[in-house]
Amino acid sequence: QSVLTQPPSVSGAPGQRLTISCTGSSSNIGAGYDVHWYQQLPGTAPKLLIYDNTNRPSGVPDRFSGSKSGTSASLAITGLQAEDEADYYCQSYDSSLSGSVFGGGTKLTVL
Amino acid sequence: QVQLVQSGAEVKKPGASVKVSCKASGYTFINYDFTWVRQAPGQGLEWMGRISTYRGNPKYAPKIQGRVTMTTDTSTSTAYMELRSLRSDDTAIYYCARTIFGLVSYFDYWGQGTLVTVSS
Repeated sequence: QSVLTQPPSVSGAPGQRLTISCTGSSSNIGAGYDVHWYQQLPGTAPKLLIYDNTNRPSGVPDRFSGSKSGTSASLAITGLQAEDEADYYCQSYDSSLSGSVFGGGTKLTVL
Repeated sequence: QVQLVQSGAEVKKPGASVKVSCKASGYTFINYDFTWVRQAPGQGLEWMGRISTYRGNPKYAPKIQGRVTMTTDTSTSTAYMELRSLRSDDTAIYYCARTIFGLVSYFDYWGQGTLVTVSS
């Protein structure tokens, strides 16, 4: 059971917009800690997608965006493409565990 | 360009130890921390701990505290993770990641992963 809760799977058709939620608690996201997002393509290492809630590293398309409010954060993907099919993970800090924590991951399927 | 190259796959028996290396290149080694993350087959990412390349001062996840040691060698720009008293549920891909230190650190470059299989 992950400290940060994500939906196990989401799906959408090419061109659509979808969001992936990441729900925490008062010891992590709700305490004001930043959230980061990673994309893991099949058989590869994770890749940083969003850092500090809303920022994209160089090279990440602006189709990807992040937000945070209260005890939750969200990753939004617009103009869904087949190449977006991957697992997505949120990450933050938990004061009870005194360390970084990941969400359980969300498998995105492009229909 | 930044590269993190990890050592090859390992097969170990229960109770044994494994040491995974992560050689960095393309940037100033001591300017960034290292984090280790593992992923069991078909499962999500699990944070194992972090070490400062400048100060040492490792921080480990409570679940593996006492069985893990993270070190760095600035002379070879290499980070190491040793896990002892291996169990079958330690079977996983182990990743090193360059760490941007902050209130909530994040991981901007990752190694390719090292598969560690624990089996009798």
